[in-house]
Amino acid sequence: EVQLVESGGGLVQPGGSLRLSCSASGFTFSSYAIHWVRQAPGKGLEFVSAISSNGGSTFYSDSVTGRFTISRDNSKNTLYLQMSSLRAEDTAVYYCVKDGPPGRFGYHYDHWGQGTLVTVSS
Amino acid sequence: EIVMTQSPATLSVSPGERATLSCRASQSVNNNLAWYQQKPGQVPRLLIYDASTRATGIPARFSGSGSGTDFTLTISSLQSEDFAVYYCQQYKSWPLTFGGGTKVEIK
Repeated sequence: EVQLVESGGGLVQPGGSLRLSCSASGFTFSSYAIHWVRQAPGKGLEFVSAISSNGGSTFYSDSVTGRFTISRDNSKNTLYLQMSSLRAEDTAVYYCVKDGPPGRFGYHYDHWGQGTLVTVSS
Repeated sequence: EIVMTQSPATLSVSPGERATLSCRASQSVNNNLAWYQQKPGQVPRLLIYDASTRATGIPARFSGSGSGTDFTLTISSLQSEDFAVYYCQQYKSWPLTFGGGTKVEIK
């Protein structure tokens, strides 16, 4: 069974930093691209960032470019999102999501984690 | 960036009736479109990908159609468990983008 478990969320002050992690199991992690998608309270879904299966390619939304960094450790089956210069508008549930077929990069999302809440507030 | 626009924002439907949800892309996405369902307090679930292919375990009452810029999700006979928010997503180009969602509520 595919499992994606996020951790690292919490309350942080504006301008602060936070690192999210996503631990994966139940599939060959190193064969799949993984994304971060967020959802602000009561709002819709927003793509944040994505990383290819070998980590060689990354994409970011304009709203986080230059502030967030996505990375992965295939030896640990773990995805990361380093967030810095956080703003109130970054407050959201952050989901780790698995991309489609192996080898594809930028496809539909067939499995989602339960999400971790990041709250940016003073 | 490709902008995805969903309509209507809210759809009031009686159980057993058909629901038709629309999604329009600001430029062609070919058939690179997915639909997701999200119930309150739950994680989104993939319903349809490649515009018309049902995901594993999705009931046949859900169907998707369209290509290019105009897409439709049809729920042929609404069940109580289908009342939720539905999102479309394009994966033709980066950044991947979602529509704002359509809430299907009980009439």
